[in-house]
Order: sequence, then C-alpha cells, then structure tokens
Amino acid sequence: GNSVTQMEGPVTLSEEAFLTINCTYTATGYPSLFWYVQYPGEGLQLLLKATKADDKGSNKGFEATYRKETTSFHLEKGSVQVSDSAVYFCALSDVSGGGADGLTFGKGTHLIIQP
Amino acid sequence: DAGVTQSPTHLIKTRGQHVTLRCSPISGHKSVSWYQQVLGQGPQFIFQYYEKEERGRGNFPDRFSARQFPNYSSELNVNALLLGDSALYLCASSLFSVDAGELFFGEGSRLTVL
Repeated sequence: GNSVTQMEGPVTLSEEAFLTINCTYTATGYPSLFWYVQYPGEGLQLLLKATKADDKGSNKGFEATYRKETTSFHLEKGSVQVSDSAVYFCALSDVSGGGADGLTFGKGTHLIIQP
Repeated sequence: DAGVTQSPTHLIKTRGQHVTLRCSPISGHKSVSWYQQVLGQGPQFIFQYYEKEERGRGNFPDRFSARQFPNYSSELNVNALLLGDSALYLCASSLFSVDAGELFFGEGSRLTVL
C-alpha cells in the first residue's frame, strides 16, 4: 500500500534560518506528491505539488523536488520567517488508480520559528 | 468567494449515538472528499464523491457513510459512535474527481465522543 513518512517535530528554528523537512514515500503506482500547510486556526491548504519524477514544486519561497530514485520529496526554504510557523504535511496521490483513493498523508511536522 | 464550509464546528456526543456532519463545497466544485484527522496524526481518507456518486472509500467500517446532494453539498454520517471516533473531520472539495491532489479544505468539524 501507499505510505508517507516525514520527520516528526516540533522543529524549532530562528528567523532567517534554512529549513529542510524530510519526506519519503512508498507507492505502488506513479504518485503525485504534495506539501500541505495548516496555519494556526485555519484549514489545510496546498503549498506546492509535483506530478512526475524530477519535477520541482515551488511556492512562497518553499520548494521540493520529486526524487524517484530516493522516493523523497523534501521541503526546503532558504530563509524562514515567523509567519511560516505552522504544521506541514507531506502527501501523495496515486493517480494511476484514478486518484479515487484520496490523499495519503504523513503525520505532519510542527514548525516553530522564533524571532 | 466562499471557501469550503462545514457544520457544526464542534460537537460532543456519547458512545452509541449517531452524528451527521455537513459540508458545502466551493461554488463550481463537483467533488467532495472526507478525511478524519486524529490528534497528532495526518488526515486519513474516508470517502470521495463526484457527481453524487461514491468514487472512493478508505479503510473505515460500515458505520461510516456519506452522500452528495444535487447541489454538490455533502453529509458524513457515523453510527454507533465509539470513543475512537473522536477526531477532526475534514471536508475538501475539488473541481474534478481525478484532481485528487489539489484539494481545498474546510476548517473541520471537531467531534468529541464521551
């Protein structure tokens, strides 16, 4: 079956630090990969996505590259801000099955940025 | 434009009771999905509906059921509630069935079972 493993938090960084949140996956088909973010008091929202190997998704200064050889989709940002404090979820969708099996999420990583 | 709206936002039930959760998708979205998020875990897929038909079901017991109405809104029903059903229930909408990844989530209905 499909699964997503991501580093557990909380991850605490100082403002302007470099961020990496690791994510690896197991999938039976050809998944699309996603990072979702949940800010305090808000619903989950899509941060970025990549639909095939070697694709790079990017948004709001965050980026992640779909690495099929290492089955990874690590999230990075060069300089984090206090406003980036949130819970980040890595997820996959096995589109070979029509995507009707929904998203498979990791457990989430709580990121805390200190001024 | 209104996002995905869910009701109620919070509710408390006792074991054995039944609960109905409601969801209105973004205007124009025809697909609705339901997820369960237990505290400290990622969301887990329950159902997907598209054009009023069930298109996908996760690994949940038959106590969980859902439906989608002609206006694309949706209900999630849970019968014979167990303590383990306490969770945040998330509804998400998307334009199409196969756009499984680009979902727009509501803020959820937090269910507590005592």
